[in-house]
Amino acid sequence: RKEVEQDPGPFNVPEGATVAFNCTYSNSASQSFFWYRQDCRKEPKLLMSVYSSGNEDGRFTAQLNRASQYISLLIRDSKLSDSATYLCVVNRAGSARQLTFGSGTQLTVLP
Amino acid sequence: GAGVSQSPRYKVAKRGQDVALRCDPISGHVSLFWYQQALGQGPEFLTYFQNEAQLDKSGLPSDRFFAERPEGSVSTLKIQRTQQEDSAVYLCASSLPGTTYEQYFGPGTRLTVT
Repeated sequence: RKEVEQDPGPFNVPEGATVAFNCTYSNSASQSFFWYRQDCRKEPKLLMSVYSSGNEDGRFTAQLNRASQYISLLIRDSKLSDSATYLCVVNRAGSARQLTFGSGTQLTVLP
Repeated sequence: GAGVSQSPRYKVAKRGQDVALRCDPISGHVSLFWYQQALGQGPEFLTYFQNEAQLDKSGLPSDRFFAERPEGSVSTLKIQRTQQEDSAVYLCASSLPGTTYEQYFGPGTRLTVT
């Protein structure tokens, strides 16, 4: 089983739609969780950290369920510029600083 | 400000050739990471440096892969006797000391082994 699993998509949604991505992780000892965004043929960039209490940044909301080992990302009022691959990331088992990436979920926002 | 830079951006190597990939991290970032990203996959961890010390090389796929960071800044990832399965994008990332996990990635080197 992969350490971090995501639905690969693709998700094709119209502008203005709300879309949600899910991710599960296998190591219950993981402490740090993130969503990174990767545009086509570009490097990954941090979108947001994910906190136990849930957190919001503008149109983006991240949730963590430690009991189910499940992370989600909700994008409201999606824009064309949100089209990208969204990578679910957790710290590596036994390591405070190293990251394990999911395979990513591809989102295309259509005009 | 300057971000992480990598060179070359593209490399085509014949099977069996040796290649060297360079990473210039952000100034002041003591932590440096190398990742391998295959098409359609997320980045896979290769190795990690803190300053010049290579603290974890557990992700290196074989002994043909070697990384160094002799002065604690620039790092080089070397792949000896390249194989077709080595074709991938090699990403370098750096981060500040302390507890932040935000890693800043370079644009990557796309390696194609023919």
